[in-house]
Amino acid sequence: QKEVEQNSGPLSVPEGAIASLNCTYSDRGSQSFFWYRQYSGKSPELIMSIYSNGDKEDGRFTAQLNKASQYVSLLIRDSQPSDSATYLCAVTESGGSNYKLTFGKGTLLTVNP
Amino acid sequence: EAGVTQFPSHSVIEKGQTVTLRCDPISGHDNLYWYRRVMGKEIKFLLHFVKESKQDESGMPNNRFLAERTGGTYSTLKVQPAELEDSGVYFCASSQEWNYGYTFGSGTRLTVV
Repeated sequence: QKEVEQNSGPLSVPEGAIASLNCTYSDRGSQSFFWYRQYSGKSPELIMSIYSNGDKEDGRFTAQLNKASQYVSLLIRDSQPSDSATYLCAVTESGGSNYKLTFGKGTLLTVNP
Repeated sequence: EAGVTQFPSHSVIEKGQTVTLRCDPISGHDNLYWYRRVMGKEIKFLLHFVKESKQDESGMPNNRFLAERTGGTYSTLKVQPAELEDSGVYFCASSQEWNYGYTFGSGTRLTVV
């Protein structure tokens, strides 16, 4: 059973701080990794993708991947109240099912003004 | 560009009834996926279409679920007869290529009573 683990939270940070969201996965052959943001009652929205070890930055967001440790993280700098949402980590399955995403349950982030 | 459209947004039906969910993907997206989130669980894969062909339906819970994709455009997911455990949010997603992340629809919240 392929699994993606995330702390459910809630993670509470003050406005302007760095929010750090973490994710571990069990499928060692996974090749593609995604972070989705989901506001309550809305659709998951893709905010970051990462495919190779290291860091990938996009605006205030940085995704970090360590395949040896089977660990992926998302850093949000200068957190804003509008960043308050559930963040979902998703990982593609290895082998012939690499179109299929396995999701974590999500981490609820609250940014306090 | 129009996003992925799902309807209805909410459906409440009685156990034993039939419900049909519809998904209109982004125009030109050959890949269409159905996922489901039941209460307290993570989002889980149901099936994947490439154009009008079912590529993988390994996540379909049982034969009460039937998905179709007419002419490679919109897709329907029928549940017949519905059971209480079918309650959850059903998400549709589409992509041009599988490995660049999906665009999700806003989901259909199905409640079976």
